Amino acid sequence: DIQMTQSPSSLSASVGDRVTITCRASQGISNYLAWYQQRPEKAPKSLIYDTSSLQSGVPSRFSGSGSGTDFTLTISSLQPEDFATYYCQQYSNYPHTFGQGTNLEIK
Amino acid sequence: EVQLLESGGGLVQPGGSLRLSCAASGFIFSKSDMNWVRQAPGKGLEWVSRISGSGDRTYYVDSVKGRFTISRDNSKNTVYLQMNSLRAEDTAVYYCAGVWRWGQGTLVTVSS
Repeated sequence: DIQMTQSPSSLSASVGDRVTITCRASQGISNYLAWYQQRPEKAPKSLIYDTSSLQSGVPSRFSGSGSGTDFTLTISSLQPEDFATYYCQQYSNYPHTFGQGTNLEIK
Repeated sequence: EVQLLESGGGLVQPGGSLRLSCAASGFIFSKSDMNWVRQAPGKGLEWVSRISGSGDRTYYVDSVKGRFTISRDNSKNTVYLQMNSLRAEDTAVYYCAGVWRWGQGTLVTVSS
């Protein structure tokens, strides 16, 4: 199975900050990587697919990049509604594994 | 608008069975692969299973192989997850996901 490792596991930041979350795959996954946002007690929401393609309706402050084994999610200017947990997921090989999550908290 | 609505969760004893359903609308269901993803209390997301649009290909995480079966009825725009031989570690919210959308989840609790 492909292991997905996110860093950091938790992050404290302020409104307006630029933040980057990293996701590393244990083997190459081409660009088959997605990012999800999950607010407390809510279902996950898809943000980005194919590494860098923004889902419809997702604000442009979210962006994704990378290829092969190393990927990043960047939020250019944090808004109050962005404080949540973020997950990466690879869909190159089965099982379609998730990272362990990054909890983004208000500083 | 895409909508995914799960049902069928509940409390079941270890060794028991449960069938989850996910009713879909707002997209061409028969052309869309569908997934089940679960989240144990206080834990992260775990991909469980996937089925192709036609239903001829299915995939599972190792921990549920031989116990869970994913299926679909394209005439009803519904995907199912039949869960047998349930264990305490199967306790989780189960989400249906497809076309990059997620349902609200249904809670499965395995306990005596």
